[in-house]
Parts: sequence; C-alpha cells; structure tokens
Amino acid sequence: DAKTTQPTSMDCAEGRAANLPCNHSTISGNEYVYWYRQIHSQGPQYIIHGLKNNETNEMASLIITEDRKSSTLILPHATLRDTAVYYCIVRWNAGNNRKLIWGLGTSLAVNP
Amino acid sequence: NAGVTQTPKFQVLKTGQSMTLQCAQDMNHEYMSWYRQDPGMGLRLIHYSVGAGITDQGEVPNGYNVSRSTTEDFPLRLLSAAPSQTSVYFCASSYRDRDYGYTFGSGTRLTVV
Repeated sequence: DAKTTQPTSMDCAEGRAANLPCNHSTISGNEYVYWYRQIHSQGPQYIIHGLKNNETNEMASLIITEDRKSSTLILPHATLRDTAVYYCIVRWNAGNNRKLIWGLGTSLAVNP
Repeated sequence: NAGVTQTPKFQVLKTGQSMTLQCAQDMNHEYMSWYRQDPGMGLRLIHYSVGAGITDQGEVPNGYNVSRSTTEDFPLRLLSAAPSQTSVYFCASSYRDRDYGYTFGSGTRLTVV
C-alpha cells in the first residue's frame, strides 16, 4: 500500500472551508484514497473515498489531482464539532486485501 | 441498529492474565478487523477476517488470537497479557464487496500492570 504524507496540524476558523492536503506520490493505479477522522477518544469515522474522480457527499468533498499523487479533503463550512484528527489512507481495493495502513494524520482545530 | 459494539470499554489486567475483548456487529458485514492505537503511532492492524471461519494476521499479531465462528462476532483474545499490550483497541467492520468504508466501534482501553 502507498504511504501518505499529511501536515501534522492545521487551524481553521468556524464557518470557513477547511482544506486538508494529502500527498500519496507512490500511489498505484488500483489504489483508492480514503479519508477518516477521529474525534477525541472515539473510534475513527469514515468520511469519503475515491479513485480518480472528485467525490462529494454530505460530509465533505474529495479532490484528487489528475496524476493522483495528491488529494485534498474539503469541509465546506467547518464547525467546532469538526475538530478531530483526519487520516488520509490509500488501499488496494481488490479481493481480500483489506490492510489499511494508517499514518498519524492531521490534527484539525476549528476555532470560534 | 447498534453498529459495532465493543465490550468492555475499560479493563485493567495484571501481567500474565488472559482475557477476551468482545466485538459484535449487526450490519451483516462480512469483513471484521482489530486495530490497536498507541500514542504517537497510527492505528495498526492486529488480525482480520473476511467471513465466518476465515481469519488472517495483520501487522502486529503476536500475543493475540482471534476466531470467527459467526458473521456477527469477532473476539480478540490476549493469551498472556504484557505491559506492551497497554493500548486502545478498536474493532471495525465493512461489507466485503461493497466499499462504503469501515464502521468502527468505540474502543476498549486496556491497561496491563
């Protein structure tokens, strides 16, 4: 599985968009990009995933560059409840291979 | 719909004791897994299962056993607890063929003294 690089921490003002970058320069053609978040002491929560195209759901948008070497998770209107550690993970999506490799993520602080 | 339920939420063990961490899901997910999370480290996969009767090792399987006799349950057994196994343990599940992401339990905080 490809490794990912994320900034250690970021700040965002409440109500503004939070843009969380992720570098995955060694990603291969059949590896998906996943984003999860972990609010203090809770289990990780799935946010969104994508392969090539940009994706959007009720929680966030995922922008993947054309060469797929990086991506950005966008929380369009951050709230205090979005303060969490955000993990970017790439994983090969085939058969029984389910080994997500987790890094340390980005600690996002949403400030009032 | 309870999702993924882990018990207990907290546990203190003495070195050498054994115990079982329970994980149950009610979503009919084929895939289940156990992770541990330590300060300064990302989540690390211990064991996983793609269906009843099938298990496999993850990154850090030593000192842990699993079995999967039913689709719903995936218990994690610590054979002889060591202080190095002090950690927060998370269970996760997902569909095998439909990738909607993993659902995680709320975790078990284990301290081995």
